[in-house]
Amino acid sequence: QQPVQSPQAVILREGEDAVINCSSSKALYSVHWYRQKHGEAPVFLMILLKGGEQKGHEKISASFNEKKQQSSLYLTASQLSYSGTYFCGTEIFGDSSYKLIFGSGTRLLVRP
Amino acid sequence: DTGVSQNPRHKITKRGQNVTFRCDPISEHNRLYWYRQTLGQGPEFLTYFQNEAQLEKSRLLSDRFSAERPKGSFSTLEIQRTEQGDSAMYLCASKSDDNEKLFFGSGTQLSVL
Repeated sequence: QQPVQSPQAVILREGEDAVINCSSSKALYSVHWYRQKHGEAPVFLMILLKGGEQKGHEKISASFNEKKQQSSLYLTASQLSYSGTYFCGTEIFGDSSYKLIFGSGTRLLVRP
Repeated sequence: DTGVSQNPRHKITKRGQNVTFRCDPISEHNRLYWYRQTLGQGPEFLTYFQNEAQLEKSRLLSDRFSAERPKGSFSTLEIQRTEQGDSAMYLCASKSDDNEKLFFGSGTQLSVL
């Protein structure tokens, strides 16, 4: 039931782009993306609610392919502040608790 | 909006002792969730409240764990007879029915010696 994230880790130079993928075996109602820095709480980035919908937050955007039960997070022109661990959280379709099931995370390091 | 508050931030205890954590959600949020996170892993769902009712508990959760949310406001998570494997970050999160966003607290880091 836990979504699978890939890659597990990414190292970038400042200004480079990255894509993080999240895949589920269950039909999804939504996908949430969070970023967590060491010792801190996860910080909300964005929610994807509809198939094929793409949302953006500054230079971070995401897409959600409802049929494939997949979501991708796009980080463009990365900044040092983007470093951290990115988690996707999935809401299973029909789950009335609206709880999120999180992947194991993708560790991103942006170097100068 | 003062955010989700968790206390204590850190707890060190000896194996076999009981510990209790507190979570104060955002005031108008009726849904409250507890998660556990170990190093290198994503948050793992433990239990969920809608107002004061505990509606779901993870099947992986030991009977040593219990949670309450009296009056549908703050919540407490108690671990009895702690074991070293209980060492983790315990996260609380809350949301309202009219907003999809889940707000996390800063967590309680538990170390069982």
